[in-house]
Amino acid sequence: EVKLVESGGGLVQPGGSLRLSCAASGSTFGNYWMHWVRQAPGKGLVWVSRIDSDGTGTTYADSVKGRFTISRDNARNTLYLQMNSLRAEDTAVYYCARERDVSYLDLWGQGTLLTVAS
Amino acid sequence: SYEVTQPPSVSVSPGQTAIIPCSGEKLGDKYVCWYQQKPGQSPLLVIFQDKKRPSGIPERFSGSNSGNTSTLTISGTQAMDEADYYCQAWDSISDGVFGGGTKLTVL
Repeated sequence: EVKLVESGGGLVQPGGSLRLSCAASGSTFGNYWMHWVRQAPGKGLVWVSRIDSDGTGTTYADSVKGRFTISRDNARNTLYLQMNSLRAEDTAVYYCARERDVSYLDLWGQGTLLTVAS
Repeated sequence: SYEVTQPPSVSVSPGQTAIIPCSGEKLGDKYVCWYQQKPGQSPLLVIFQDKKRPSGIPERFSGSNSGNTSTLTISGTQAMDEADYYCQAWDSISDGVFGGGTKLTVL
């Protein structure tokens, strides 16, 4: 069974940095585009970032552009999200998800909680 | 930037049909998918490419997409279907944008 497992969340002060990881089981990780999606407490899903299968193409939501960097290591079956200049409004559960056919996310991790507070 | 809109809440009686709309400009020209999210759980894909059901999703879940509106329909709604539902719109030049979510109450 293919699974995605996020890690790296925690409590960070405003202005701080953190890197999230998403470990994928199975040998086909490198075939898929991957996304980060976040959900603030009690709020809806918000798309954050996307990376193509070989890591050469990335896109970001305007709210994180210039502060967050998505990357991947296909040899380690791992997706990353480097988050800098963190703000209180970045507080959320962050999910990684696998994209299929440029039209849906069929596999989601369990999420990791980031709290930005002093 | 592109936006899609959902009503915050929909209520339905058990056994009846729940209809959850998702609207956006020329939404019918894009692919729409739907996710179900129960408290404390990750989102679960229930409809993709407008009307297709993933393996394991009950037949009572169906979808459509035309004009400016996509619709998730749950026929014979059960108590276990009570959840938040999110639409997501895709096209070739933008990443998937989510609707604000609809809380489905079965009462």
